[in-house]
Amino acid sequence: DVKVTQSSRYLVKRTGEKVFLECVQDMDHENMFWYRQDPGLGLRLIYFSYDVKMKEKGDIPEGYSVSREKKERFSLILESASTNQTSMYLCASSPPVGFGNEQYFGPGTRLTVT
Amino acid sequence: AQSVTQLDSHVSVSEGTPVLLRCNYSSSYSPSLFWYVQHPNKGLQLLLKYTSAATLVKGINGFEAEFKKSETSFHLTKPSAHMSDAAEYFCVVRIQAAGNKLTFGGGTRVLVKP
Repeated sequence: DVKVTQSSRYLVKRTGEKVFLECVQDMDHENMFWYRQDPGLGLRLIYFSYDVKMKEKGDIPEGYSVSREKKERFSLILESASTNQTSMYLCASSPPVGFGNEQYFGPGTRLTVT
Repeated sequence: AQSVTQLDSHVSVSEGTPVLLRCNYSSSYSPSLFWYVQHPNKGLQLLLKYTSAATLVKGINGFEAEFKKSETSFHLTKPSAHMSDAAEYFCVVRIQAAGNKLTFGGGTRVLVKP
C-alpha cells in the first residue's frame, strides 16, 4: 500500500511566523503535490514537483514556497504566515506522469493562523 | 482551461436508497475523470476513474459512474446507500495536454439518515 504521511495533523501558528509542513511518501514516486482545501472550493494546487530539486507553481502559489531535497520528501513553506492561510493542507504523490495515473493523498494538516 | 462543477454541495439520503452525485466538466480535450471520497479526518481515497476505455466505470464499495461525452457529465451512483457512505465526494478532471494537473470540483457532502 502507498503511504503518504504528513508531519502534523493540527497546527496553530501566529501571524508572521515561518511555517514548515512536511510530507513523506514511501513508494518512490516521482511526482509530489501540495494542495489546500477550503469549503466549497475543493482542492486547489499550490505547488508540485516532478523530480528532486524541481518545482512548478500550481494555481495559487502566492505566499508559499516548497523544497524537495530528497525524492521521498516534499516540504511546503509559509514564509510569513497570514490569517488567510488558515486551511487544510493536503500532500499527494503519484508515479511518473501517465494518462489516468491517480494521486495518493496524505491525511492532511489543519493549519490555523491566529 | 478545464473546469469541474459538482451540482450539489449537499445530498441527504436514507440508508438503503439510491445515491446520485452529479458532476459536469468542461474541457477542449479528452479528459481522464476521477471520483475521490474523503471521510472525516481522513485523506482522499480514489473511488473510481475513467481513462477512455469503457464509459461505465465500476469502483469500490458498490459505486459506479458513467462518462457521457455528449452531456460532458460523469455522475456517480450507488444503488443502496450505507451509513459508511457519509463523507465528502470530489469529482476530478485531468487533461494530459494541460500537464496532467488535476482540477477538483467543489465537493458534495453526503449525509445518510438511518
